[in-house]
Order: sequence, then C-alpha cells, then structure tokens
Amino acid sequence: NAGVTQTPKFRILKIGQSMTLQCTQDMNHNYMYWYRQDPGMGLKLIYYSVGAGITDKGEVPNGYNVSRSTTEDFPLRLELAAPSQTSVYFCASSYVGPRMGEKLFFGSGTQLSVL
Amino acid sequence: AQTVTQSQPEMSVQEAETVTLSCTYDTSESDYYLFWYKQPPSRQMILVIRQEAYKQQNATENRFSVNFQKAAKSFSLKISDSQLGDAAMYFCAYTSGNTPLVFGKGTRLSVIA
Repeated sequence: NAGVTQTPKFRILKIGQSMTLQCTQDMNHNYMYWYRQDPGMGLKLIYYSVGAGITDKGEVPNGYNVSRSTTEDFPLRLELAAPSQTSVYFCASSYVGPRMGEKLFFGSGTQLSVL
Repeated sequence: AQTVTQSQPEMSVQEAETVTLSCTYDTSESDYYLFWYKQPPSRQMILVIRQEAYKQQNATENRFSVNFQKAAKSFSLKISDSQLGDAAMYFCAYTSGNTPLVFGKGTRLSVIA
C-alpha cells in the first residue's frame, strides 16, 4: 500500500521558472491538502480539495494553483517561481475530513529551492 | 481564525526522564479535535496522539499522554521515560468543522543520553 506519494523529492528552480509538484494517493480519500513548511516553522495550508473538481484556498495560496480532476491526484503548480517559495511542500489526504477529526496521511515531502 | 501557539521553540530532556511540551489554541468552537504530530529528521509526519474536545478524559498512547484543559484552551503533551528516538520536532494541531488542520510553529525536542 503506497499511501500518499509525492514527486519529486528534491528540486532546484531558477527564479521565474515554473513546475508542478505531483501528489497521488491510493486510499480513495476524498480530502487532499497541500502544506508548505518554512525552516523552523509549522505547516501552512496552501490549497485543499474536498473531492474531484472542488478546490479551495488555504492560508497562503498566492503564487500557486491546483486542480483535482481525479480522486487520486492533486498536483500543485508553481508559476513564476520566487525565492519566497523555497520551502518543503507536503501533500496529505484523509477520507472524511476535518468534521470527524480524522488524522491526515502525509507524503514524504518535496524540498524545493528557488535560486 | 483559529490559531495554535507553541511557546517553547526548543526543549531538552535527559534520557528516561519526563518532559512536557506546551500548546495553547484559540477557537470559538465547542466541538473540535487536537493533535500532536512528530517530525523526526526524516521529515516524515507521524501522528502521536489525538484528543476529542467533547471527551473529558485525557488521551494516552503508551509513553505519551496529554493534559487537556478545555476552559483554558491548553493541550500539553507529556512524554514519559524519554528515549533517544523521541528527538524530533513536535507540532500541536487543531481542526474542527470545515477547518482543515492548523499547526503551531513546533517545538524541537532534544534527548540527552
């Protein structure tokens, strides 16, 4: 059982470049999330989705876009990368969502550096 | 907006001793859930313990227990018989209703042999 899979694990971007962080889960979870973790800080929510075709902004959505065309996949797109987007990005998922206080299943993270 | 505050950026404990990590939160909800997550150097996020706000009884998981004070909006984590493998970042987190998980800034725990 793979759980939540993120690719790539590491990436270096130049300022102004674009890229897509991939996230796939094989648990048939409805809810999926993207968080970023800056050094010495907690995780901040970028975007989340409650099901295929539905996405919503989190606390720090600027500079990012998402889509959810299938239950399994929730890619995060960075357009015009900036040094402020240097961070570790985590994808997470859950089945019934926050109303039931369900724990999140996390991917292993993507370390992104923008130089 | 709900906020989670961890006032101790770093803590240390001697192996086999007990340590308590502090967490406070701000909410107007009556029904919510609180969590402690552990992040070792591997970067993996590991659920340590979960507390349901409507339950009076404090949650426990082996050497890990919480002191949940609902009126004070306090949710501390106690680690007993500390082990070298407990060294990690610990994050307190909150969720309720339609609010996705909100994290504190974390406490880095060092375990001294």
